[in-house]
Amino acid sequence: GENVEQHPSTLSVQEGDSAVIKCTYSDSASNYFPWYKQELGKRPQLIIDIRSNVGEKKDQRIAVTLNKTAKHFSLHITETQPEDSAVYFCAAPLSGGYQKVTFGIGTKLQVIP
Amino acid sequence: NAGVTQTPKFQVLKTGQSMTLQCAQDMNHEYMSWYRQDPGMGLRLIHYSVGAGITDQGEVPNGYNVSRSTTEDFPLRLLSAAPSQTSVYFCASRSGDGYTFGSGTRLTVV
Repeated sequence: GENVEQHPSTLSVQEGDSAVIKCTYSDSASNYFPWYKQELGKRPQLIIDIRSNVGEKKDQRIAVTLNKTAKHFSLHITETQPEDSAVYFCAAPLSGGYQKVTFGIGTKLQVIP
Repeated sequence: NAGVTQTPKFQVLKTGQSMTLQCAQDMNHEYMSWYRQDPGMGLRLIHYSVGAGITDQGEVPNGYNVSRSTTEDFPLRLLSAAPSQTSVYFCASRSGDGYTFGSGTRLTVV
């Protein structure tokens, strides 16, 4: 979606290393930022989200950080494992309201054993 | 509690044919939406609904119709299928913020 830019489009890391995926959004009124994981041939699933009133949220090996001033948020995966290999999507509202949610183009993460 | 159920899982259509992709949720979610997923383009919003009787267009609505007669059901209609509509279609619903997705429909138009 043109209102959410996601980088990189592909990412390869060695097992045990960290992975970082970044998204930039355009609507300064956005206040909710989710990340989804999609394994091959399956549906996207929500893995973590953050609201604009906090700067960081952690859940075991994954974390999301938010920089409202720069209008970007990032997904951090530490101690990566082969089962982390998937496509990851960020999402944010399109301009004009939260009812229209747009997704980034996705990042294909490959964790090399 | 089945979540979001989509049917069919696979479909092949000839150009010009019409069909309806079914989506049903049993979580009493007010908000439902349809996305299509194409390689390198992420998930693009086709139509969405904030409640029974209310629908609106997303990013790529052309060639598709929707209706929302009940809270549970949100069917997507292809009026006259075109090869450009070959894609994987996901229905999603939400209560609050995060989406719950259906398992997807892989549609091929030949």
